[in-house]
Amino acid sequence: GAVVSQHPSRVICKSGTSVKIECRSLDFQATTMFWYRQFPKKSLMLMATSNEGSKATYEQGVEKDKFLINHASLTLSTLTVTSAHPEDSSFYICSAPGGAVTEAFFGQGTRLTVV
Amino acid sequence: AQKITQTQPGMFVQEKEAVTLDCTYDTSDPSYGLFWYKQPSSGEMIFLIYQGSYDQQNATEGRYSLNFQKARKSANLVISASQLGDSAMYFCAMTLYNFNKFYFGSGTKLNVKP
Repeated sequence: GAVVSQHPSRVICKSGTSVKIECRSLDFQATTMFWYRQFPKKSLMLMATSNEGSKATYEQGVEKDKFLINHASLTLSTLTVTSAHPEDSSFYICSAPGGAVTEAFFGQGTRLTVV
Repeated sequence: AQKITQTQPGMFVQEKEAVTLDCTYDTSDPSYGLFWYKQPSSGEMIFLIYQGSYDQQNATEGRYSLNFQKARKSANLVISASQLGDSAMYFCAMTLYNFNKFYFGSGTKLNVKP
């Protein structure tokens, strides 16, 4: 089946630095990718929708300048957490829709810790 | 706006018994899909079962079945013959047709006891 590869799986960074998370669709083209954030023992919250070749659509309350999303090609979407702070520590996961309404392919997730 | 509610933060079940995880939803859109995902401690999201809003019959996938009661806006997951490997977080989610972005419930932590 289709695979979405997310990298890195874990990252620890210092406050004030930026971290880039990549999501690649390995055997299909993804014109759309969704980025979610999950706090410990909490639900997944949709952050934004990235669209290849155009600007991302952010959900209400998500800081566009803090979470930069780029969808540079049909197989790659990136989420950059800029000037990270400890409160940005979370689990971030991407997903790409498949051809059918029931299909959604999730990345493995990235556990970000900001110290 | 779409909303998914899971009222059971944690559940215990004895191995080999059946368990029902509750999910209610709210949307004004007549076309939607309801999903259940399993998330083990590793964090990956594992698709379990899907129910479309126009489906007449309840979905089943092996040991998983979805009790879909449209008038009550509920989509409970039933796991039969629980196994130790079923211990995980379970999320109910909804999509609107042709969107494929998920609205997730708060999750239920299932613990299967030997």
